Amino acid sequence: GAVVSQHPSWVICKSGTSVKIECRSLDFQATTMFWYRQFPKQSLMLMATSNEGSKATYEQGVEKDKFLINHASLTLSTLTVTSAHPEDSSFYICSARDTTNLAGGAYNEQFFGPGTRLTVL
Amino acid sequence: GQQVMQIPQYQHVQEGEDFTTYCNSSTTLSNIQWYKQRPGGHPVFLIQLVKSGEVKKQKRLTFQFGEAKKNSSLHITATQTTDVGTYFCAGPVDSSYKLIFGSGTRLLVRP
Repeated sequence: GAVVSQHPSWVICKSGTSVKIECRSLDFQATTMFWYRQFPKQSLMLMATSNEGSKATYEQGVEKDKFLINHASLTLSTLTVTSAHPEDSSFYICSARDTTNLAGGAYNEQFFGPGTRLTVL
Repeated sequence: GQQVMQIPQYQHVQEGEDFTTYCNSSTTLSNIQWYKQRPGGHPVFLIQLVKSGEVKKQKRLTFQFGEAKKNSSLHITATQTTDVGTYFCAGPVDSSYKLIFGSGTRLLVRP
């Protein structure tokens, strides 16, 4: 199946700093990627849809100025958590659809990255 | 807004026992997907159901999509310790490719 990577896998930072998380589709092109946040023992909450070459669309309640998304190429989307605070500590996961279906997966199947665990002190 | 709920929230079974998780959507879904997330891991796609009343099997796992396309179930026969994890159903938001995830059912298996 298609492979999505994320970097870093975990990060600890001080309150007030910014953190950038990268999401890459390794063996397919992704015009659309999705960013989720997952708190411990909870479900995945969609934060935003990252669109290659255009602005991201954010879900209700997600601050676009705090969570900056850039999708500069067909294989890379980045999420920057600006001025991070302890309440931003969470597991951030990206996913992508293989719209060419070269990986042979099911239509609509989303391939998830391994996630980034952010801890803000 | 659109909601997808799952029951039960947790299930603790003895190895060899069966397990079922139920998924209910507030709206009709064009398709439903199931994902498994191991502890500390990320969601992994299991299957997609599209047709009303559809039933699909993957070895010991049986997936069902309701006639009204608003509910679904996942049944595991004779659980094994490798089945441990959280099972999520997910459906598309409106007609988009965005997914709304169910609340998840966490399965624990006693060896």
